Amino acid sequence: QKEVEQNSGPLSVPEGAIASLNCTYSDRGSQSFFWYRQYSGKSPELIMFIYSNGDKEDGRFTAQLNKASQYVSLLIRDSQPSDSATYLCAVWVGALTFGSGTRLQVQP
Amino acid sequence: DAGVTQSPTHLIKTRGQQVTLRCSPKSGHDTVSWYQQALGQGPQFIFQYYEEEERQRGNFPDRFSGHQFPNYSSELNVNALLLGDSALYLCASSPRTGNYGYTFGSGTRLTVV
Repeated sequence: QKEVEQNSGPLSVPEGAIASLNCTYSDRGSQSFFWYRQYSGKSPELIMFIYSNGDKEDGRFTAQLNKASQYVSLLIRDSQPSDSATYLCAVWVGALTFGSGTRLQVQP
Repeated sequence: DAGVTQSPTHLIKTRGQQVTLRCSPKSGHDTVSWYQQALGQGPQFIFQYYEEEERQRGNFPDRFSGHQFPNYSSELNVNALLLGDSALYLCASSPRTGNYGYTFGSGTRLTVV
């Protein structure tokens, strides 16, 4: 079992819709959870991090954490074509461990 | 405020050769982690350095080695290159705990032919 699992996609949503990206992790001791965005040919950039169960909102982005279910999600409201990228879920247990990423396509 | 800088940006090497990649961390960061990202995959953790010592290591062979200097900059060395080592090599820096996430450099694209 992979430590961090994501659906590879692509996830295709129309412009203005809500994009929902999901991630599960295997280590119950994980304390910190991160979402990175990576445009093609570029390096990952941090979007959000979350430590506590529940929701954390930052602009159009909302991260959701459920430690009992070992599940992390990222919601992107009012999706824009510029949001088209690969979204990487990462879990910190001494070092950051990444999932394989979900490719998001926002259709104009 | 300078971010994480990596050099070179691109590199082509022949199978069996050795390569050294370089990284300068973001100002204020003392910990450097190296990742390998193959096409279509997420970054895979190679190792992490702080206080000039390797502190954690991922599932990579001994052909991969590193170093951290007193100014916190770091090198990644790969010996006896294989075709499968072709990837984007990412350096990330953070404060010691890393709880606030890592800042990534733009990466070095290594092609082994």
